[in-house]
Amino acid sequence: EAQVTQNPRYLITVTGKKLTVTCSQNMNHEYMSWYRQDPGLGLRQIYYSMNVEVTDKGDVPEGYKVSRKEKRNFPLILESPSPNQTSLYFCASSSRGEPQHFGDGTRLSIL
Amino acid sequence: DAKTTQPPSMDCAEGRAANLPCNHSTISGNEYVYWYRQIHSQGPQYIIHGLKNNETNEMASLIITEDRKSSTLILPHATLRDTAVYYCIVLRDYAGKSTFGDGTTLTVKP
Repeated sequence: EAQVTQNPRYLITVTGKKLTVTCSQNMNHEYMSWYRQDPGLGLRQIYYSMNVEVTDKGDVPEGYKVSRKEKRNFPLILESPSPNQTSLYFCASSSRGEPQHFGDGTRLSIL
Repeated sequence: DAKTTQPPSMDCAEGRAANLPCNHSTISGNEYVYWYRQIHSQGPQYIIHGLKNNETNEMASLIITEDRKSSTLILPHATLRDTAVYYCIVLRDYAGKSTFGDGTTLTVKP
């Protein structure tokens, strides 16, 4: 089954404790992206990647890092999480000219 | 990528057509119009997309004006399960930077 898998689905952690949210897709897509969604708002793009070793900033990249060492994986790294990064996070992937496929989301709470 | 403008909310009676408008007056010639929807806090679900011509699939129809500055998503026979937030976005064919905006909350009423 074609899918985008995010882990963990839920995480409660504390300020300053490094965390990584993993994203994996099994569709051989070149393009992957991370979004955050805050209550009542739309999705805001954090980072995207056009292919292996090619990443670029979206609209809200501050406080986040990403890497794309393999085509299927695109982890989101919070080196020193802060409470304002409490949010719902989505990973997405697509190939050229095709719509994005989204994961089920990761709900992060940073205390 | 071009920005889009959508009304924040709309209501529709069950069984009637839902027509959701989107303005994208700064769209470029190589940018597609995509529509997604999000039910509760699930991952957005793709509905339909188009470049210049009107498009139809099993879920919806997309009408794009001749000048491409606006479009309308049509759900021909809305059901209660179509209650969701609908996002209109514009993207180059090879998606890069992607801005979703706040979307339109469609409420389908019995």
